Amino acid sequence: DAGVTQSPTHLIKTRGQHVTLRCSPISGHKSVSWYQQVLGQGPQFIFQYYEKEERGRGNFPDRFSARQFPNYSSELNVNALLLGDSALYLCASLPTGAFTGELFFGEGSRLTVL
Amino acid sequence: GQQVMQIPQYQHVQEGEDFTTYCNSSTTLSNIQWYKQRPGGHPVFLIQLVKSGEVKKQKRLTFQFGEAKKNSSLHITATQTTDVGTYFCAGRGAGSYQLTFGKGTKLSVIP
Repeated sequence: DAGVTQSPTHLIKTRGQHVTLRCSPISGHKSVSWYQQVLGQGPQFIFQYYEKEERGRGNFPDRFSARQFPNYSSELNVNALLLGDSALYLCASLPTGAFTGELFFGEGSRLTVL
Repeated sequence: GQQVMQIPQYQHVQEGEDFTTYCNSSTTLSNIQWYKQRPGGHPVFLIQLVKSGEVKKQKRLTFQFGEAKKNSSLHITATQTTDVGTYFCAGRGAGSYQLTFGKGTKLSVIP
């Protein structure tokens, strides 16, 4: 069975540009979370979606937005990129929208902002 | 907001030695999870602890959840080179979807 798939795997942008990252959860999983992992740090929660509704938002500016589609895939959008947005962006899926359960992470999208 | 602190940041051990990483939350947790991330990889789930004082074992790995549900530890007995990686604890508060990760402990094993 396919795991969580993310695209693109690597990308380079310049300051002020916009980026869209995509995630397909494990088949049958209805919840998707997004995390930002800066080099040398732990993943930091950005969003969680369940059944197309936002269930949680971390401490990130409004430049960060996301949505979940009817097929449970998800997009993370970041506007007006800053150098500090350079990071590994991880998508994780869960089978339900419960407050518990393991996260199944994808390989991530590594964003470099120049 | 909720903070999760993890120590030590780095640990270098000789193969065969034991290893322990500690995790402490600023608030009471409903559950805590542990993940391992190999260099260049993504976090992989190891275990979830839910009950106060819970202890779980996976072969050479022992996980504990404190009585107050604010701290946790991971102990590895007789480390092997395959144990190399960064170990993260991640806690969730009651009624929260947010999983707060510690900064991780990077384990190096010298053969």
